[in-house]
Amino acid sequence: DVKVTQSSRYLVKRTGEKVFLECVQDMDHENMFWYRQDPGLGLRLIYFSYDVKMKEKGDIPEGYSVSREKKERFSLILESASTNQTSMYLCASSSLGTSGANTGELFFGEGSRLTVL
Amino acid sequence: AQSVTQLGSHVSVSEGALVLLRCNYSSSVPPYLFWYVQYPNQGLQLLLKYTSAATLVKGINGFEAEFKKSETSFHLTKPSAHMSDAAEYFCALNQAGTALIFGKGTTLSVSS
Repeated sequence: DVKVTQSSRYLVKRTGEKVFLECVQDMDHENMFWYRQDPGLGLRLIYFSYDVKMKEKGDIPEGYSVSREKKERFSLILESASTNQTSMYLCASSSLGTSGANTGELFFGEGSRLTVL
Repeated sequence: AQSVTQLGSHVSVSEGALVLLRCNYSSSVPPYLFWYVQYPNQGLQLLLKYTSAATLVKGINGFEAEFKKSETSFHLTKPSAHMSDAAEYFCALNQAGTALIFGKGTTLSVSS
C-alpha cells in the first residue's frame, strides 16, 4: 500500500523555536509538496520539490524553508515559529509530469497539526 | 490564471437525500480535475478524477462527478447520503503537471 508518512501528528512549540516537520514517501515519486490548511482558506501551497536538492516556492513561502536531501524525504522548516503559523500542515507526493496514465494525482500524509504558543 | 471555486462552504442534507457539491474551474488548458475527501484529523483521500477519458466519472463510496466544459463545472454528486459521508470535500485542478490548485472546501453534514 502506497504511503506518505508525516513524523508528528501533533506538535506544540513556543514562539521563536525552530520547528522541523518531516515527511517520507515510499512510492519513488519525484514531486513532493507541503501545503498548509486553515479553516475557510482551503489548502495553500508553501513549497514543492520536483527533484532531490531542488525546491520551488509556492503561494505562501514566507517564514518557511524546505530541505530535500533524499528523494523519499521532504522536510519543512520553520526557522522561528510564530503564532500565525499555528495550522495543519499536509505533505503530499506525486509522479513527475502529466503524460500517459499520470494525471498529477497527489497522495497525502495524515497531516501534522502544529500549535505555536 | 487557473483557479477553483467551490460554491457553498457548508452543505447539510438528510440521510438518504441527494448530495450535490458544486465546483467551477478556470483554466486556459484542458485540465485534470479531482475531488478529495478529508475526514476529521486525517489527510486527504482521492474520491475521483477527470482525465478526459469520459465526462462522467465514478469514484469511491458511490460518488460521481460530471465534467461540463461549456459550464466549466465539475460538480460532485451522490444519489443517497449516508452518515459516514460527513466530511470536508475539496475540488482541485492540476497546474502544469506539478502542484494542484485547491478550492476552499465544502463541509458536508448529514443528519438522521
